Amino acid sequence: GEDVEQSLFLSVREGDSSVINCTYTDSSSTYLYWYKQEPGAGLQLLTYIFSNMDMKQDQRLTVLLNKKDKHLSLRIADTQTGDSAIYFCAESRGDSSYKLIFGSGTRLLVRP
Amino acid sequence: EAEVAQSPRYKITEKSQAVAFWCDPISGHATLYWYRQILGQGPELLVQFQDESVVDDSQLPKDRFSAERLKGVDSTLKIQPAELGDSAMYLCASKAGDLMQYFGPGTRLTVT
Repeated sequence: GEDVEQSLFLSVREGDSSVINCTYTDSSSTYLYWYKQEPGAGLQLLTYIFSNMDMKQDQRLTVLLNKKDKHLSLRIADTQTGDSAIYFCAESRGDSSYKLIFGSGTRLLVRP
Repeated sequence: EAEVAQSPRYKITEKSQAVAFWCDPISGHATLYWYRQILGQGPELLVQFQDESVVDDSQLPKDRFSAERLKGVDSTLKIQPAELGDSAMYLCASKAGDLMQYFGPGTRLTVT
């Protein structure tokens, strides 16, 4: 199946850590991505992880992958008000199309 | 930094009218994607080009939608006739030899 699921909403206080979760169903997925979308804008690629990795860290962002449970998470350390946006998880197969299958997005609200 | 360009940014049209969107990918990117994003959902692939050839248009409503990339560079997506349900954000993305898809700012279509 082609299903990527995310929780709809997350609210955190400025300075706290945010953890956004995602589950996917296709075990053949080879790459998993996190994109950020601000109101009225396109999608900004934040980070990605290859399916044979467990963790990837990039500055304030940490991606964790549990391939057995098909669970992906994005942790944002020291969350700032500028991090308020919708975050999309996406999976990509290993076929030649590299078509992305997106979740419905998690709206992150950072409270001052 | 090179970016994917799209125009117009916003389009309001009446149902049954024709509408067209334009995308200029990052220079040198052979793969181009058109996605549709309905409000509150993640993007869904409409059509994928490799150079000037269509690779995947399985989700493109071909009775009213058409897409072309004649010289393998920029691309046009057309809807004729537009229906109320076509109101959405239309996103263009491009990809080079790596696995990263880079998105443009999108065209917000409102059909009245």
